[in-house]
Amino acid sequence: RKEVEQDPGPFNVPEGATVAFNCTYSNSASQSFFWYRQDCRKEPKLLMSVYSSGNEDGRFTAQLNRASQYISLLIRDSKLSDSATYLCVVNLRGGGNKLTFGTGTQLKVEL
Amino acid sequence: DTAVSQTPKYLVTQMGNDKSIKCEQNLGHDTMYWYKQDSKKFLKIMFSYNNKELIINETVPNRFSPKSPDKAHLNLHINSLELGDSAVYFCASSQGAGGPSYEQYFGPGTRLTVT
Repeated sequence: RKEVEQDPGPFNVPEGATVAFNCTYSNSASQSFFWYRQDCRKEPKLLMSVYSSGNEDGRFTAQLNRASQYISLLIRDSKLSDSATYLCVVNLRGGGNKLTFGTGTQLKVEL
Repeated sequence: DTAVSQTPKYLVTQMGNDKSIKCEQNLGHDTMYWYKQDSKKFLKIMFSYNNKELIINETVPNRFSPKSPDKAHLNLHINSLELGDSAVYFCASSQGAGGPSYEQYFGPGTRLTVT
């Protein structure tokens, strides 16, 4: 079983749509959780951290369910510029800031 | 200003050769990393250095040897290159490695092709 699992997609959605990505992680000792964004042939960049209470940043909302070991990302009012691969990332406590990446979910926002 | 830079951006070489990739960060961070992203886009950590000391060493062939001359630089030397080494190698840095998780800033990547 992969440490971090994501649906690879692609998710093809029209502009303005709401889209949700899910991710599960296998190690219950995971302490920190993130969503990174990676554009084609570019480096990954931090989109947002994920907290147990849920957190929102503009059109983006992230949720964490520790009991189910499940993380989600909701994008509202999708823009063409949201087209990218979204990487679910977890970090173990005391792991030397070692990030474990999912394989990513590809999003394509279309006119 | 480039925060994390890598050279070269592209590297095409033949099997059996030895090559190096260089990484520099100007963020004043203490911790640097090397990641490998394979053809299936899976990104996996290889090494991490904190203030020039190796703190993460994943299961990587010993043909790969990182070197950190100072905390702003982390180079990756690869001996006897193999076809399976073809990938994009990303360098990253973060403020630290302990306590709360620090954001990692990635370099633009080095696309290595072994023929």
